[in-house]
Amino acid sequence: QVHLQESGPGLVKPSETLSLTCSVSGSSITNSFSWAWLRQHPGQGLEWIGTTYPGGSTFYNPSLQSRVAISVDTTNNHFSLRQRFVTVADTAVYFCARGRSGALLDALDIWGQGTLVTVSS
Amino acid sequence: DIRMTQSPSSLSASVGDRVTLTCRATMYIGTNLNWYQQSPGKAPKLLMYAASTLQSGVPSRFVGSGSGTDFSLTISSLQPEDFATYYCQQSYSTPFTFGPGTTVDFK
Repeated sequence: QVHLQESGPGLVKPSETLSLTCSVSGSSITNSFSWAWLRQHPGQGLEWIGTTYPGGSTFYNPSLQSRVAISVDTTNNHFSLRQRFVTVADTAVYFCARGRSGALLDALDIWGQGTLVTVSS
Repeated sequence: DIRMTQSPSSLSASVGDRVTLTCRATMYIGTNLNWYQQSPGKAPKLLMYAASTLQSGVPSRFVGSGSGTDFSLTISSLQPEDFATYYCQQSYSTPFTFGPGTTVDFK
């Protein structure tokens, strides 16, 4: 059974860089799936951050593209999110998720439990 | 960006009721529409993909339909575990976008 687990600091200072890792168990991250990051502001809906696909292509939400990067670590079977120059508006629960297939246009079938990141000085 | 809207924003229902949630896209998305269920404090759970295909393990009381810009999710007989918030999401083009959600709560 495939399981995703987010990890990272729960508190980040404004202007600093947020780094989160999603550990994948029960499946090799090199299998033909896509891997995504999303977030949910407190009491709000869901926002897609970006997705990385088999072969290395990565797509980002234009609203965040200048500040975010998703990378894959095949050695440790995890993928990561780096988000620079955070502000209080980046306070949210961050989720990692797996694309149902490796196709560009597909649903997200497995999600991590989410991790709350608070941006505050 | 494609904007997704959902109606109603909330609805009150009872166990055994039949409920229909609707989702609309601001432009054509074919059948690239997915439905997720989220309970408080939990991660979203995929219910339906490609507008009408039931995700493995999801009960058959969930039925999705629609294409183009208008979609619906029907729950034929509400069960206690179905009281949650439901989000639609378009996967037709990036940035992938979600609707604001419909919350189904106890009447």
